[in-house]
Amino acid sequence: NAGVTQTPKFRILKIGQSMTLQCTQDMNHNYMYWYRQDPGMGLKLIYYSVGAGITDKGEVPNGYNVSRSTTEDFPLRLELAAPSQTSVYFCASSLGLAETRGTQYFGPGTRLLVL
Amino acid sequence: KNQVEQSPQSLIILEGKNCTLQCNYTVSPFSNLRWYKQDTGRGPVSLTIMTFSENTKSNGRYTATLDADTKQSSLHITASQLSDSASYICVVSAGTYKYIFGTGTRLKVLA
Repeated sequence: NAGVTQTPKFRILKIGQSMTLQCTQDMNHNYMYWYRQDPGMGLKLIYYSVGAGITDKGEVPNGYNVSRSTTEDFPLRLELAAPSQTSVYFCASSLGLAETRGTQYFGPGTRLLVL
Repeated sequence: KNQVEQSPQSLIILEGKNCTLQCNYTVSPFSNLRWYKQDTGRGPVSLTIMTFSENTKSNGRYTATLDADTKQSSLHITASQLSDSASYICVVSAGTYKYIFGTGTRLKVLA
């Protein structure tokens, strides 16, 4: 199993540009998450999904959109990139929510720089 | 305000030594507490998860403790190895889909 994969690894965007961060998991997990990690700060939840077709906002959803058309894929869309969106983005998935089923498996991250 | 504070911010130890990392939280309601290891440039990897009723949980050389009364947790690393060099992150769940992440302790193990 590859686990959780993310592409691209690194991207530079100009202000106002759009892009999609890709996330795929091959563990048949229902739950998927997007986080951002800013320097010196704890991870913040952007969006999450409890299954195909079901998504909801996390703590910091502004400026982002998500979709979940399949169990495997959970892309994150930035429509109008702003410097404040410069961060490292992590996708994660879990089998469930409680105890060991709630263990989240993280991808390697996408480093995004908005200039 | 829900907060998770970790100490120390950074730590340097010699290979083979033990160390203890601290996590204090003010989170309500409390669902569970997790410790993650994050290597530089990689995603976090789960080490342990503890619920309210659990005091201790081990994963190899990693032992986590939880005192729900004082709202403190610790992660003890025994016989450290060079590969233990990483950031260690404490995360407290404040209910469903509410995850309060600490800023981590950066550990450096020297040969």
